[in-house]
Amino acid sequence: SQKIEQNSEALNIQEGKTATLTCNYTNYSPAYLQWYRQDPGRGPVFLLLIRENEKEKRKERLKVTFDTTLKQSLFHITASQPADSATYLCALATGANNLFFGTGTRLTVIP
Amino acid sequence: NAGVMQNPRHLVRRRGQEARLRCSPMKGHSHVYWYRQLPEEGLKFMVYLQKENIIDESGMPKERFSAEFPKEGPSILRIQQVVRGDSAAYFCASSPPGTGAYEQYFGPGTRLTVT
Repeated sequence: SQKIEQNSEALNIQEGKTATLTCNYTNYSPAYLQWYRQDPGRGPVFLLLIRENEKEKRKERLKVTFDTTLKQSLFHITASQPADSATYLCALATGANNLFFGTGTRLTVIP
Repeated sequence: NAGVMQNPRHLVRRRGQEARLRCSPMKGHSHVYWYRQLPEEGLKFMVYLQKENIIDESGMPKERFSAEFPKEGPSILRIQQVVRGDSAAYFCASSPPGTGAYEQYFGPGTRLTVT
């Protein structure tokens, strides 16, 4: 069956360090992968998209890698800040119509 | 430019009642997606609509659930004869023409509680 796993339910790191979140998938051949941020009581907010033929994408303090051989994406937040504390979701798209989401990793950045 | 609007934000229904959730997409967006998020679970796709058309309803439960996106007005997700297991957050997303799932903007969600 198709599965998307995010490395852990919760991740705590010290302010200033780099947070690394993992998204692994099985039985998909995604055309692209997205990362979203979700705060409590809010809808997901799009952060980054990376296509199957791209290895890495950056946006300010965010970096995403995509390894279709390993079936894995890594999401990095450098110089983390308490304001980065949220749940981060990865989502795969195999076609044009919809996204398949992981359950998310709840990141807490400790001052 | 207002974002995706959903109402109500919170909805409480007794078992057996009907729930109607509304979604107004962003201005200029003609595609609407509905997702359900159960406690401690990921977002699950339910249905994808364009104006007056259901494009993909592969994630919709076979019974009691229906969705529409009329020519005028918001998209409606309707749940008939609600049961406790329907309690969840329901999110709507919209996208501009031609982008599909590439570029989805989510609303704040409707939290449905069935008592």
